Amino acid sequence: ETGVTQTPRHLVMGMTNKKSLKCEQHLGHNAMYWYKQSAKKPLELMFVYSLEERVENNSVPSRFSPECPNSSHLFLHLHTLQPEDSALYLCASSHQAGTSEKLFFGSGTQLSVL
Amino acid sequence: KQEVTQIPAALSVPEGENLVLNCSFTDSAIYNLQWFRQDPGKGLTSLLLIQSSQREQTSGRLNASLDKSSGRSTLYIAASQPGDSATYLCAVRPDAGNNRKLIWGLGTSLAVNP
Repeated sequence: ETGVTQTPRHLVMGMTNKKSLKCEQHLGHNAMYWYKQSAKKPLELMFVYSLEERVENNSVPSRFSPECPNSSHLFLHLHTLQPEDSALYLCASSHQAGTSEKLFFGSGTQLSVL
Repeated sequence: KQEVTQIPAALSVPEGENLVLNCSFTDSAIYNLQWFRQDPGKGLTSLLLIQSSQREQTSGRLNASLDKSSGRSTLYIAASQPGDSATYLCAVRPDAGNNRKLIWGLGTSLAVNP
């Protein structure tokens, strides 16, 4: 398997649930990202991990908790979400250094919070 | 504050037409600009990345140009095909900082009709 893989593809959860999104990249990259994509809004960068260290936390509410155990895996732990958190959550990866830094995205997790 | 605008928001063309998608940005001091393609309910695919020192990049039937002084980039698609139907997004990286933050447009939704 190649590229960036996200699971699950779809998730429906209640506001009191706890769930986790998983992302795995097989590209040898050392930077990974979580993005949120809502209708009629630009993509919102949530978190950036570079060499497994979090380098960006873009004022994201604490009900979203990222985890990067190694350079190939990234998780987004979710708890007590709100209906406005329903969106497509995208994981991406890239090389940390150099000028060739194209982002490679997974297919996303479509999250619905009831 | 850097802002990215894409016009038109939607475009419908017959198969075989050459077409141009536009992306404008308010601050000419950018590090690079990327064009992405997104199919419905899917992640993004990087099409072309133009460094601030470059004027254009080409890949197959796609050609992206960059004019920093006027704050504009165009994506030219030659001999359009129904398979080109997707949303096309541009994103500007403002600086070389470690957070890899991109400023995104809302995209142009393209429909190529057989």
